[in-house]
Amino acid sequence: DTGVSQNPRHKITKRGQNVTFRCDPISEHNRLYWYRQTLGQGPEFLTYFQNEAQLEKSRLLSDRFSAERPKGSFSTLEIQRTEQGDSAMYLCASSPAVQYNEQFFGPGTRLTVL
Amino acid sequence: AQKITQTQPGMFVQEKEAVTLDCTYDTSDQSYGLFWYKQPSSGEMIFLIYQGSYDEQNATEGRYSLNFQKARKSANLVISASQLGDSAMYFCAMREGLTGTASKLTFGTGTRLQVTL
Repeated sequence: DTGVSQNPRHKITKRGQNVTFRCDPISEHNRLYWYRQTLGQGPEFLTYFQNEAQLEKSRLLSDRFSAERPKGSFSTLEIQRTEQGDSAMYLCASSPAVQYNEQFFGPGTRLTVL
Repeated sequence: AQKITQTQPGMFVQEKEAVTLDCTYDTSDQSYGLFWYKQPSSGEMIFLIYQGSYDEQNATEGRYSLNFQKARKSANLVISASQLGDSAMYFCAMREGLTGTASKLTFGTGTRLQVTL
């Protein structure tokens, strides 16, 4: 069991550039969640997938954000035309479908927008 | 709307002592789950303990126990016999719905715990 992995772990970009993050959930977990955590705050929900279907999106997820999970395995989160306010830790979590409460989190991708 | 409140930005505890981290919540749902996660400086969120809204007994996991008072809408985490490795941020979180429900977690702002010698 390798756990949830996220790549890259750190990303520094200039304002206006596009960035893409990847999350590989624990195998056979069909639910995948994205959260954003800014300094001094708890994680805030962005979106979640059940298999390849994106079932819920937060109002935090502006038009510049898009997430995919094309084959129901790994997921990508893309931010277009980054802004300094996008600087945060982006956390991915996964969970099995039933009879389980815990969401298993990855180590996160720290984004810094200059 | 769900809301989690953690009123203690920081706490200190001596090694081997017990400490209570406070959490209150607000929801209109009857079915919900309450969680505590630990976040060390490395950044990864580590699950500690879970309490369902219909669970009659307080949850326990090793040195962690959850003091669930439903009428007061509180879900305090008690850590017994604190260890230096317990120094971290601790987040209380809530999920609406029963076990197995696919639903987001709503987190509080966290409490930073520092364990001293």
